[in-house]
Amino acid sequence: AQRVTQPEKLLSVFKGAPVELKCNYSYSGSPELFWYVQYSRQRLQLLLRHISRESIKGFTADLNKGETSFHLKKPFAQEEDSAMYYCALSGNQAGTALIFGKGTTLSVSS
Amino acid sequence: EPEVTQTPSHQVTQMGQEVILRCVPISNHLYFYWYRQILGQKVEFLVSFYNNEISEKSEIFDDQFSVERPDGSNFTLKIRSTKLEDSAMYFCASGRDGRETQYFGPGTRLLVL
Repeated sequence: AQRVTQPEKLLSVFKGAPVELKCNYSYSGSPELFWYVQYSRQRLQLLLRHISRESIKGFTADLNKGETSFHLKKPFAQEEDSAMYYCALSGNQAGTALIFGKGTTLSVSS
Repeated sequence: EPEVTQTPSHQVTQMGQEVILRCVPISNHLYFYWYRQILGQKVEFLVSFYNNEISEKSEIFDDQFSVERPDGSNFTLKIRSTKLEDSAMYFCASGRDGRETQYFGPGTRLLVL
């Protein structure tokens, strides 16, 4: 079954602390993995995708096929990182659906 | 920067009524999607649309749902006879070639009474 699991509903950290948002997936085949972010009162927007291997706003995520994980990391959290983070996967066919996890709320306080 | 737009932002309707949710995808995009998020639950895929036909749909997308691209800009989701459990946030998304990023609209919050 195709599934994305984000085990933490809420992650609270202090400013400057490291952050790791966990994501595990189940998919038969080679999925594409994404992290989407939703800031307060804003739309869902792409943060990063595994094939681009970029660092966006200091966040990185490495696809670990052995552990079927795609954890999101940032070494030093900022207050403006507070948001809802969704891990998602899709197949690599054109126009295929995104399958989302339940999301993790990241709260960064000073 | 171009964005996906959705109207209305909120809609309240009575059970059994028909609703049409509207979306204007980004103009050079070819793939269109609807998702929904029931309060407190995950974002769920409903349907994808390409070349004027449905390319993929989920189990949620049953006969009460339909999609249409009535002109060159709008993409609509119709719910024929709304149920209480259709209350959710409905998101439209579009993508340029189906393999790249899906860009989401701000959503329409539907409340069925």
